[in-house]
Amino acid sequence: EAGVAQSPRYKIIEKRQSVAFWCNPISGHATLYWYQQILGQGPKLLIQFQNNGVVDDSQLPKDRFSAERLKGVDSTLKIQPAKLEDSAVYLCASSLSSLNEQFFGPGTRLTVL
Amino acid sequence: AQSVAQPEDQVNVAEGNPLTVKCTYSVSGNPYLFWYVQYPNRGLQFLLKYITGDNLVKGSYGFEAEFNKSQTSFHLKKPSALVSDSALYFCAVRIGAGSYQLTFGKGTKLSVIP
Repeated sequence: EAGVAQSPRYKIIEKRQSVAFWCNPISGHATLYWYQQILGQGPKLLIQFQNNGVVDDSQLPKDRFSAERLKGVDSTLKIQPAKLEDSAVYLCASSLSSLNEQFFGPGTRLTVL
Repeated sequence: AQSVAQPEDQVNVAEGNPLTVKCTYSVSGNPYLFWYVQYPNRGLQFLLKYITGDNLVKGSYGFEAEFNKSQTSFHLKKPSALVSDSALYFCAVRIGAGSYQLTFGKGTKLSVIP
């Protein structure tokens, strides 16, 4: 069974630039999550989708971050404009439902200079 | 609000010795508890979970964890450590109803010394 796919794996940008990350969840998984993991900390949930609807985006900085899952499968997370403190690993995860364990992708390491 | 504490930033253990990685939690309802492991440059991998039932939960790669409600703990254990167990371990909690959000601890780095 293929796992959660993410691209790119690494991205370096300058502050105030824009960046987008892509996630393809495990086939059949209705729930998709985006996490931010800052060095030395545990992952923090940014947004959770159930199919193509948003379930929880309470910790998403909506002035600069946006995410979509238009067809209920793939998802993109965008940052515009980026700040230095956005440097982190962005993890995508999926699960059959919100009650099941989550499976994580390898992450995208973002460096903002 | 729910929270997780992993009191040790790093745990060192000799190969073949038993290992314990500690986790305590705070929730207002019944907890769902999870352990994940993260190897360098890889995503988190699910190890085990406690939902209800037997307090001793067995998971992948010979790991187990014991749920202790009175001490609000969910320590990860393994009887005999392997060098390949060296990684970053995360404890996570969510409540059993209503909230979907998984809250992670800050992680504990386990080093198994040959």
